Amino acid sequence: QLTQSPSTLSASVGDRVTISCRATQGLSGWLAWYQQKPGQAPKLLIYAASTLERGVPSRFSGSRSGTEYTLTINGLQPEDFATYYCHQYSTYPYTFGQGTVLEIK
Amino acid sequence: EVKLLESGGALVQPGGSLRLSCEASGFTFGGDVMTWVRQAPGKGLQWVSSISGSGATIYYADSVKGRFTISRDNSLNTQYLQMNSLRVDDTAIYYCAKGAGRGQLDYWGQGTLVTVSS
Repeated sequence: QLTQSPSTLSASVGDRVTISCRATQGLSGWLAWYQQKPGQAPKLLIYAASTLERGVPSRFSGSRSGTEYTLTINGLQPEDFATYYCHQYSTYPYTFGQGTVLEIK
Repeated sequence: EVKLLESGGALVQPGGSLRLSCEASGFTFGGDVMTWVRQAPGKGLQWVSSISGSGATIYYADSVKGRFTISRDNSLNTQYLQMNSLRVDDTAIYYCAKGAGRGQLDYWGQGTLVTVSS
């Protein structure tokens, strides 16, 4: 089970934002983050808690502390306003967080 | 370039059946786990099912177990999702996704819409 927070986040271009995903049991770091824009498929940003997928800007980063995982975006760009999901692939059944809508303040 | 192209979505009545297909290109299809993920209108992502590269190992979400069957034909670079006894709450966009490494989903198709309604 994954608990993602906040469900909605308002921010401005240039801000630093963090999204949290808390697991009820250990995932051994097998957690990914995806970005989804309206009408599009999700896009992989981060895997293994902190590894940046090829081609993803370095303003995105991931970290882990125990069973809490964090996605950080440094210096928000206009194209970053979207919905973000965490995903655990440590064990089946795979699960996703509820999603965080990042909106323009 | 990796491409995943889903097809087969349609409007179907409750209790009906549908088969989704996902044609892959741009990678060694038989070497990767393939997965179906769905998204109900205005809702979040829900994992549905995954199948190993050989097809020997399969997993399902409890909500579809016994009703859906995942399969693949590596000679055609295609995976399938046979959906039987469809319910209204199966209405969603169904995405095909390619697994990588330990299990992250590195490529996704654009999705196909399944609507279950009378």
